[in-house]
Amino acid sequence: AQSVTQLGSHVSVSEGALVLLRCNYSSSVPPYLFWYVQYPNQGLQLLLKYTTGATLVKGINGFEAEFKKSETSFHLTKPSAHMSDAAEYFCAVRPSSTGANSKLTFGKGITLSVRP
Amino acid sequence: SAVISQKPSRDICQRGTSLTIQCQVDSQVTMMFWYRQQPGQSLTLIATANQGSEATYESGFVIDKFPISRPNLTFSTLTVSNMSPEDSSIYLCSVRLLPGRKAGVFYTQYFGPGTRLTVL
Repeated sequence: AQSVTQLGSHVSVSEGALVLLRCNYSSSVPPYLFWYVQYPNQGLQLLLKYTTGATLVKGINGFEAEFKKSETSFHLTKPSAHMSDAAEYFCAVRPSSTGANSKLTFGKGITLSVRP
Repeated sequence: SAVISQKPSRDICQRGTSLTIQCQVDSQVTMMFWYRQQPGQSLTLIATANQGSEATYESGFVIDKFPISRPNLTFSTLTVSNMSPEDSSIYLCSVRLLPGRKAGVFYTQYFGPGTRLTVL
C-alpha cells in the first residue's frame, strides 16, 4: 500500500521568501507524483506532476518540484512567495500502472500563509 | 485538460433528506471518481463511477448511502441519502482523461469545483 506524508499542517512565509512544502511517499515502486492546490472556496487545481523522465518538474505559477528516489521525496518549491500563493497544498501519489485499481492517495495537506 | 462542472455549487439541507449532485465533463474520460473532503481534512475517495454498471465503492462507503450513476462517458451523479450533520463536506467530482497525443495527458486527474454541503 502506498501512503503520503506531509509534515506539519501550516507553513507561513514572508512575501518574496522561499516556499518549501515537503512531501514524502511510501511505495514499493516509484509512483506517479502530483501536487494540487486548493484556493479558498474552490476545487483542486493541478500544479505539477512527475510521471517519467526529468526529475525536476516545473508547474504553474512558478512552482517546481524534484523527485528524489533515494529520499522518497517530492518537495514543492517556489523561489519567491506571492500573496496570491496563500492556499492549501496537497501532495498525491498514484501507482505507476494504468490498471483499474490505480488510485490517487492524498496527503493531509498543508496550509500556506504569506505575510506582507 | 478537462472542464468539469458540478451542480449545485453549494446547498444547505435538512437532516433526513437526500441531495443529488451532478457532474458534467466537456470531454470523454476514462474514469470518473467521487471524493469527499470533510472540514479541514484531506480528500477521501468515495467510489469510482463506472459507465453502465454499479459503482465501485471504497471501504467505509456503501451504495445505499451514496448511490452513484454514470449513464455515459461525460456525466455522473452522486446522491447523499438520509443526510446527517456528519455528511457536511465538500463533494468533488474527478476525472481521468482518455489517452491523448501527449503521453502526459493520460496520467493527469482533474477535479471539479466541488459541492459544499451543509446539513442542519
